[in-house]
Amino acid sequence: EADIYQTPRYLVIGTGKKITLECSQTMGHDKMYWYQQDPGMELHLIHYSYGVNSTEKGDLSSESTVSRIRTEHFPLTLESARPSHTSQYLCASSDSSVRRGLASTGELFFGEGSRLTVL
Amino acid sequence: GENVEQHPSTLSVQEGDSAVIKCTYSDSASNYFPWYKQELGKGPQLIIDIRSNVGEKKDQRIAVTLNKTAKHFSLHITETQPEDSAVYFCAARKAAGNKLTFGGGTRVLVKP
Repeated sequence: EADIYQTPRYLVIGTGKKITLECSQTMGHDKMYWYQQDPGMELHLIHYSYGVNSTEKGDLSSESTVSRIRTEHFPLTLESARPSHTSQYLCASSDSSVRRGLASTGELFFGEGSRLTVL
Repeated sequence: GENVEQHPSTLSVQEGDSAVIKCTYSDSASNYFPWYKQELGKGPQLIIDIRSNVGEKKDQRIAVTLNKTAKHFSLHITETQPEDSAVYFCAARKAAGNKLTFGGGTRVLVKP
Protein backbone atom coordinates (compact mmCIF):
# COMPACT_ATOMS: atom_id res chain seq x y z
CA GLU A 1 0.00 0.00 0.00
CA ALA A 2 1.44 3.35 -1.09
CA ASP A 3 1.90 5.98 1.58
CA ILE A 4 1.58 9.12 -0.46
CA TYR A 5 -1.09 11.66 0.30
CA GLN A 6 -2.52 14.62 -1.55
CA THR A 7 -4.69 17.41 -0.21
CA PRO A 8 -7.13 18.75 -1.05
CA ARG A 9 -8.79 16.01 -3.12
CA TYR A 10 -11.16 18.54 -4.65
CA LEU A 11 -10.86 22.32 -4.89
CA VAL A 12 -13.12 24.87 -6.57
CA ILE A 13 -11.81 28.44 -6.56
CA GLY A 14 -12.22 31.71 -8.39
CA THR A 15 -9.88 33.21 -10.95
CA GLY A 16 -6.88 35.04 -9.54
CA LYS A 17 -6.66 33.10 -6.29
CA LYS A 18 -3.41 31.61 -5.05
CA ILE A 19 -3.55 27.89 -4.37
CA THR A 20 -1.20 25.27 -3.01
CA LEU A 21 -1.67 21.56 -3.60
CA GLU A 22 -0.01 19.49 -0.90
CA CYS A 23 1.78 16.19 -1.43
CA SER A 24 3.48 14.13 1.27
CA GLN A 25 5.01 10.67 1.28
CA THR A 26 6.19 8.61 4.24
CA MET A 27 8.28 6.08 2.30
CA GLY A 28 11.51 8.06 2.37
CA HIS A 29 11.60 8.22 -1.42
CA ASP A 30 14.15 10.61 -2.86
CA LYS A 31 12.30 11.37 -6.10
CA MET A 32 8.94 13.12 -6.40
CA TYR A 33 6.87 14.19 -9.37
CA TRP A 34 3.81 16.21 -10.34
CA TYR A 35 1.70 15.12 -13.29
CA GLN A 36 -1.21 16.97 -14.87
CA GLN A 37 -3.91 14.69 -16.22
CA ASP A 38 -6.36 16.17 -18.68
CA PRO A 39 -9.83 14.74 -19.35
CA GLY A 40 -8.38 12.83 -22.29
CA MET A 41 -6.44 10.68 -19.80
CA GLU A 42 -2.90 11.58 -20.82
CA LEU A 43 -0.36 12.08 -18.05
CA HIS A 44 1.86 15.13 -18.51
CA LEU A 45 4.92 15.56 -16.30
CA ILE A 46 5.05 19.19 -15.13
CA HIS A 47 7.63 19.09 -12.29
CA TYR A 48 10.02 16.66 -10.67
CA SER A 49 12.57 16.58 -7.90
CA TYR A 50 15.45 14.21 -7.35
CA GLY A 51 16.05 15.31 -3.79
CA VAL A 52 15.91 18.13 -1.27
CA ASN A 53 16.48 21.55 -2.83
CA SER A 54 16.34 20.03 -6.31
CA THR A 55 13.44 20.86 -8.65
CA GLU A 56 13.15 20.66 -12.42
CA LYS A 57 10.55 21.54 -15.01
CA GLY A 58 8.86 18.61 -16.69
CA ASP A 59 7.92 17.93 -20.28
CA LEU A 60 4.79 20.11 -20.23
CA SER A 61 5.21 23.78 -19.53
CA SER A 62 3.28 24.89 -16.47
CA GLU A 63 2.77 28.20 -14.69
CA SER A 64 2.89 26.41 -11.37
CA THR A 65 5.94 26.26 -9.11
CA VAL A 66 7.17 23.63 -6.68
CA SER A 67 9.52 23.39 -3.75
CA ARG A 68 11.33 20.53 -2.02
CA ILE A 69 12.53 21.70 1.37
CA ARG A 70 11.93 18.34 3.04
CA THR A 71 12.28 14.87 1.57
CA GLU A 72 8.69 13.93 2.33
CA HIS A 73 6.99 17.09 1.12
CA PHE A 74 6.55 18.42 -2.44
CA PRO A 75 3.90 21.16 -2.66
CA LEU A 76 2.73 22.72 -5.91
CA THR A 77 1.68 26.37 -6.02
CA LEU A 78 -0.28 28.47 -8.49
CA GLU A 79 0.13 32.18 -7.73
CA SER A 80 -2.89 33.27 -9.75
CA ALA A 81 -5.24 30.53 -10.85
CA ARG A 82 -7.04 30.71 -14.20
CA PRO A 83 -9.74 28.54 -15.80
CA SER A 84 -7.05 27.00 -18.04
CA HIS A 85 -5.51 25.51 -14.88
CA THR A 86 -8.60 23.37 -14.32
CA SER A 87 -7.33 19.79 -14.29
CA GLN A 88 -6.46 16.76 -12.22
CA TYR A 89 -3.03 16.97 -10.57
CA LEU A 90 -1.30 13.75 -9.55
CA CYS A 91 1.70 13.56 -7.26
CA ALA A 92 4.06 10.56 -7.32
CA SER A 93 7.25 9.38 -5.69
CA SER A 94 9.90 6.76 -6.42
CA ASP A 95 12.97 5.32 -4.80
CA SER A 96 16.31 5.21 -6.57
CA SER A 97 18.24 3.55 -3.78
CA VAL A 98 20.06 0.23 -3.93
CA ARG A 99 19.12 -2.34 -1.31
CA ARG A 100 20.79 -5.75 -0.88
CA GLY A 101 22.71 -5.13 -4.07
CA LEU A 102 19.57 -4.62 -6.14
CA ALA A 103 18.68 -1.32 -7.71
CA SER A 104 15.13 -0.17 -7.23
CA THR A 105 12.94 -0.51 -10.32
CA GLY A 106 11.96 3.08 -9.80
CA GLU A 107 8.29 2.17 -9.50
CA LEU A 108 6.12 5.26 -9.27
CA PHE A 109 3.72 5.43 -6.34
CA PHE A 110 0.89 7.84 -7.05
CA GLY A 111 -1.36 9.78 -4.73
CA GLU A 112 -5.09 9.82 -5.38
CA GLY A 113 -4.95 13.20 -7.06
CA SER A 114 -6.21 16.73 -6.54
CA ARG A 115 -8.99 17.85 -8.85
CA LEU A 116 -8.79 21.61 -9.34
CA THR A 117 -11.61 23.65 -10.87
CA VAL A 118 -11.03 27.34 -11.49
CA LEU A 119 -14.16 29.37 -12.20
CA GLY B 1 13.58 11.92 -26.45
CA GLU B 2 11.47 8.82 -26.00
CA ASN B 3 8.00 8.67 -27.56
CA VAL B 4 5.46 6.00 -26.56
CA GLU B 5 2.35 5.36 -28.63
CA GLN B 6 -0.53 3.34 -27.17
CA HIS B 7 -3.49 1.71 -28.93
CA PRO B 8 -6.41 1.50 -28.77
CA SER B 9 -7.52 4.53 -26.77
CA THR B 10 -10.74 2.76 -25.78
CA LEU B 11 -11.52 -0.94 -25.58
CA SER B 12 -14.84 -2.56 -24.78
CA VAL B 13 -14.91 -6.32 -24.13
CA GLN B 14 -17.42 -8.83 -22.89
CA GLU B 15 -16.75 -10.31 -19.48
CA GLY B 16 -14.67 -13.45 -19.87
CA ASP B 17 -13.09 -12.34 -23.14
CA SER B 18 -9.47 -11.28 -23.54
CA ALA B 19 -8.19 -7.72 -23.87
CA VAL B 20 -4.98 -6.67 -25.60
CA ILE B 21 -3.34 -3.25 -25.46
CA LYS B 22 -0.35 -2.44 -27.66
CA CYS B 23 2.43 0.09 -27.27
CA THR B 24 5.36 1.12 -29.42
CA TYR B 25 8.43 3.07 -28.30
CA SER B 26 10.99 5.03 -30.24
CA ASP B 27 14.22 4.89 -28.23
CA SER B 28 16.07 1.57 -28.66
CA ALA B 29 17.98 2.33 -25.44
CA SER B 30 14.80 1.90 -23.36
CA ASN B 31 15.04 -1.22 -21.24
CA TYR B 32 12.23 -1.08 -18.70
CA PHE B 33 8.53 -1.24 -19.58
CA PRO B 34 5.92 -0.99 -16.79
CA TRP B 35 2.14 -1.03 -17.04
CA TYR B 36 -0.05 1.02 -14.72
CA LYS B 37 -3.75 0.67 -13.98
CA GLN B 38 -5.81 3.68 -12.92
CA GLU B 39 -9.18 3.03 -11.36
CA LEU B 40 -11.82 5.74 -11.16
CA GLY B 41 -10.93 8.40 -8.62
CA LYS B 42 -7.50 6.97 -7.89
CA GLY B 43 -3.93 7.39 -9.01
CA PRO B 44 -2.26 4.91 -11.38
CA GLN B 45 -0.82 1.78 -9.81
CA LEU B 46 1.86 -0.55 -11.18
CA ILE B 47 0.40 -3.92 -12.19
CA ILE B 48 3.23 -5.57 -14.10
CA ASP B 49 6.55 -4.67 -15.65
CA ILE B 50 9.10 -6.22 -17.97
CA ARG B 51 12.77 -5.63 -18.61
CA SER B 52 14.43 -5.80 -22.00
CA ASN B 53 16.24 -9.05 -21.24
CA VAL B 54 12.90 -10.89 -20.99
CA GLY B 55 10.43 -11.52 -23.80
CA GLU B 56 7.36 -12.37 -21.76
CA LYS B 57 6.15 -12.14 -18.18
CA LYS B 58 2.95 -13.43 -16.65
CA ASP B 59 1.13 -12.78 -13.41
CA GLN B 60 -2.13 -14.67 -13.05
CA ARG B 61 -4.53 -13.24 -15.65
CA ILE B 62 -2.22 -10.57 -16.97
CA ALA B 63 0.82 -10.98 -19.18
CA VAL B 64 3.16 -8.65 -20.98
CA THR B 65 5.19 -9.40 -24.10
CA LEU B 66 8.12 -7.46 -25.48
CA ASN B 67 9.57 -7.40 -28.99
CA LYS B 68 12.79 -5.42 -28.80
CA THR B 69 13.49 -5.67 -32.51
CA ALA B 70 10.16 -4.14 -33.44
CA LYS B 71 10.17 -1.87 -30.38
CA HIS B 72 6.72 -2.79 -29.23
CA PHE B 73 5.21 -4.37 -26.14
CA SER B 74 1.72 -5.51 -25.26
CA LEU B 75 -0.50 -6.17 -22.25
CA HIS B 76 -2.79 -9.17 -22.34
CA ILE B 77 -5.65 -9.62 -19.89
CA THR B 78 -7.40 -12.99 -20.03
CA GLU B 79 -10.80 -13.92 -18.61
CA THR B 80 -11.67 -10.27 -18.07
CA GLN B 81 -13.80 -9.32 -15.09
CA PRO B 82 -15.75 -6.12 -14.33
CA GLU B 83 -13.02 -5.05 -11.89
CA ASP B 84 -10.60 -4.93 -14.84
CA SER B 85 -12.48 -1.85 -16.06
CA ALA B 86 -10.01 1.01 -15.73
CA VAL B 87 -7.54 3.15 -17.65
CA TYR B 88 -4.28 1.39 -18.46
CA PHE B 89 -0.99 3.14 -19.23
CA CYS B 90 2.14 1.68 -20.74
CA ALA B 91 5.48 3.37 -20.16
CA ALA B 92 9.13 3.11 -21.15
CA ARG B 93 12.39 4.16 -19.53
CA LYS B 94 16.08 3.93 -20.23
CA ALA B 95 18.52 3.36 -17.40
CA ALA B 96 17.31 3.45 -13.81
CA GLY B 97 17.07 7.01 -12.65
CA ASN B 98 15.64 8.32 -15.89
CA LYS B 99 12.07 9.53 -16.14
CA LEU B 100 9.27 7.31 -17.37
CA THR B 101 7.59 8.21 -20.65
CA PHE B 102 3.91 7.25 -20.62
CA GLY B 103 1.65 6.24 -23.46
CA GLY B 104 -1.63 8.07 -23.94
CA GLY B 105 -3.71 5.52 -22.01
CA THR B 106 -6.41 2.96 -22.88
CA ARG B 107 -9.85 3.07 -21.30
CA VAL B 108 -11.02 -0.53 -20.86
CA LEU B 109 -14.66 -1.32 -20.21
CA VAL B 110 -15.62 -4.88 -19.32
CA LYS B 111 -19.32 -5.45 -19.94
CA PRO B 112 -21.03 -7.99 -17.70
